Amino acid sequence: GNSVTQMEGPVTLSEEAFLTINCTYTATGYPSLFWYVQYPGEGLQLLLKATKADDKGSNKGFEATYRKETTSFHLEKGSVQVSDSAVYFCALSEGGAQKLVFGQGTRLTINP
Amino acid sequence: DTAVSQTPKYLVTQMGNDKSIKCEQNLGHDTMYWYKQDSKKFLKIMFSYNNKELIINETVPNRFSPKSPDKAHLNLHINSLELGDSAVYFCASSQSDGQGSEKLFFGSGTQLSVL
Repeated sequence: GNSVTQMEGPVTLSEEAFLTINCTYTATGYPSLFWYVQYPGEGLQLLLKATKADDKGSNKGFEATYRKETTSFHLEKGSVQVSDSAVYFCALSEGGAQKLVFGQGTRLTINP
Repeated sequence: DTAVSQTPKYLVTQMGNDKSIKCEQNLGHDTMYWYKQDSKKFLKIMFSYNNKELIINETVPNRFSPKSPDKAHLNLHINSLELGDSAVYFCASSQSDGQGSEKLFFGSGTQLSVL
């Protein structure tokens, strides 16, 4: 079956540091890939997505590129802020939101 | 205007009790979901309804019963609550985009604590 594996957290960085959160997936076909973010006390919200190989999703300074050859969708940001502290979820879907599979989440803490 | 709203935000109750969590979405979406998030933040789908019809029912005990009176509402009733039911429950909704890449809109969660 389909699955998503994220790097173990928690991740702690200083403000303005470079961020990478690794995500790899296993899928039978050609899934769409997503990053969702969960701020403290809130529900998840979509951060970015990519629907086919070599697509790059980007939003709020975050980027992720759909790499079919390495089955990866790593999340990056060049300079993180304290407000980026949250839990980040990588996810994939083959066939719509009803078949969305989430990774285990990575907690990110940014210190001033 | 909250897009997906669920109540209550916090629910503390004794083992063996029956409780309900309500969810409403004002986005006009055709599909609604219930997810369970455990203490390690692992998120697992429980149910999915499309236009009031049950589509997905993952391995959830019979004590959990979703009810969808209309496509804007999906309530979750839990009978005979157990300690292991303690978690954060999220309601979500989506609208098919025909491409399989539609996004989920989540409520802010209901933290259930069973004592």
